[in-house]
Amino acid sequence: DQQVKQNSPSLSVQEGRISILNCDYTNSMFDYFLWYKKYPAEGPTFLISISSIKDKNEDGRFTVFLNKSAKHLSLHIVPSQPGDSAVYFCAAGVNTGGFKTIFGAGTRLFVKA
Amino acid sequence: ETGVTQTPRHLVMGMTNKKSLKCEQHLGHNAMYWYKQSAKKPLELMFVYSLEERVENNSVPSRFSPECPNSSHLFLHLHTLQPEDSALYLCASSQGGRRGGYTFGSGTRLTVV
Repeated sequence: DQQVKQNSPSLSVQEGRISILNCDYTNSMFDYFLWYKKYPAEGPTFLISISSIKDKNEDGRFTVFLNKSAKHLSLHIVPSQPGDSAVYFCAAGVNTGGFKTIFGAGTRLFVKA
Repeated sequence: ETGVTQTPRHLVMGMTNKKSLKCEQHLGHNAMYWYKQSAKKPLELMFVYSLEERVENNSVPSRFSPECPNSSHLFLHLHTLQPEDSALYLCASSQGGRRGGYTFGSGTRLTVV
């Protein structure tokens, strides 16, 4: 049973527009959430995180929103750039629950020039 | 240079072979991880070492054997693998808590024939 789900395997967006990547989770004990970005032939790189005590965290063009009641988080990229084309992984965990961070299956973002 | 180096980048092995994957981190982190990424599946946590002690073992078959001789090095010893073990094997490291995210290596693409 997947505790972290990314239901869209891919997303295509025009350059300059907003990209919205979605993630749902089932474990209400999760208290931290992260997004990673992965280019081909490279490992994932940490992008942005949010604690369960917040509902929004912003870092430049990237904003993560958390809706705890819906067990849903999203990553907004605005404006989208061709260099943002990559696979984005959502991840979550319990900070006092050992070292397990649970990852989603990823969403491949294509930003068209 | 990501700070986490994995070798080899690619490996093809027969089902009767024995091989080892190597991971080295230059970040002074105190925890290291092995993840498996299969096509269109979430990253699966395999093993976690903290302060050179294995703290997580996610029901991984015994044909995978980890070794952590010191805080900078992590190995994954492979023997009598199956074709379904073909995947991208990612090493990661972190310092303390998981909220700050992991630093991943570029991975080893393993093909079992």
